[in-house]
Amino acid sequence: DAKTTQPPSMDCAEGRAANLPCNHSTISGNEYVYWYRQIHSQGPQYIIHGLKNNETNEMASLIITEDRKSSTLILPHATLRDTAVYYCIVRPLSGGSNYKLTFGKGTLLTVNP
Amino acid sequence: EAGVAQSPRYKIIEKRQSVAFWCNPISGHATLYWYQQILGQGPKLLIQFQNNGVVDDSQLPKDRFSAERLKGVDSTLKIQPAKLEDSAVYLCASSFGTDEKLFFGSGTQLSVL
Repeated sequence: DAKTTQPPSMDCAEGRAANLPCNHSTISGNEYVYWYRQIHSQGPQYIIHGLKNNETNEMASLIITEDRKSSTLILPHATLRDTAVYYCIVRPLSGGSNYKLTFGKGTLLTVNP
Repeated sequence: EAGVAQSPRYKIIEKRQSVAFWCNPISGHATLYWYQQILGQGPKLLIQFQNNGVVDDSQLPKDRFSAERLKGVDSTLKIQPAKLEDSAVYLCASSFGTDEKLFFGSGTQLSVL
């Protein structure tokens, strides 16, 4: 079972920042937070991951709270092509029976013109 | 670089028939995964290979599903006999190592009538 809780859907205006929340209150010290997204009729695509520090790459920023119980994925300037289901996943650093990537239902982000 | 290739893109069969899906991972990726995605849900891991060995097949319905990766590169997933509830998108993914990000193919959409 997924160890994260996400809102089922969100809307965002094109050009504005999209902030997608994720709760992972039972996260362990050796578990990373991963974000993937899935555009319609495509396979999931890796976005970003982090352990405790905030992370940024060319796609997005990941803000993890100090207690690590929640995080926010930020798309700074959303475009219509960012419309997708966004999955927040908790995954151990390595090894163990829970190492596999377990997807929940994610958040459907709709970017409106 | 070339992505994960899957075929066929779509398949329609009748219940009790058999079906096979093919996956060619990204060159050099040792780890290969098969996921099942039922409409409205996140992908569920069926089986994970490390080279040509099985790492995790705990969620594979072994009475009807089988998978192989004989030479540690391409893989096939077979269903025999198919049931109505097997209607889903079957996604293949690969990664360089077990703790690396996953790259997904576009999937095979299976309809069992």
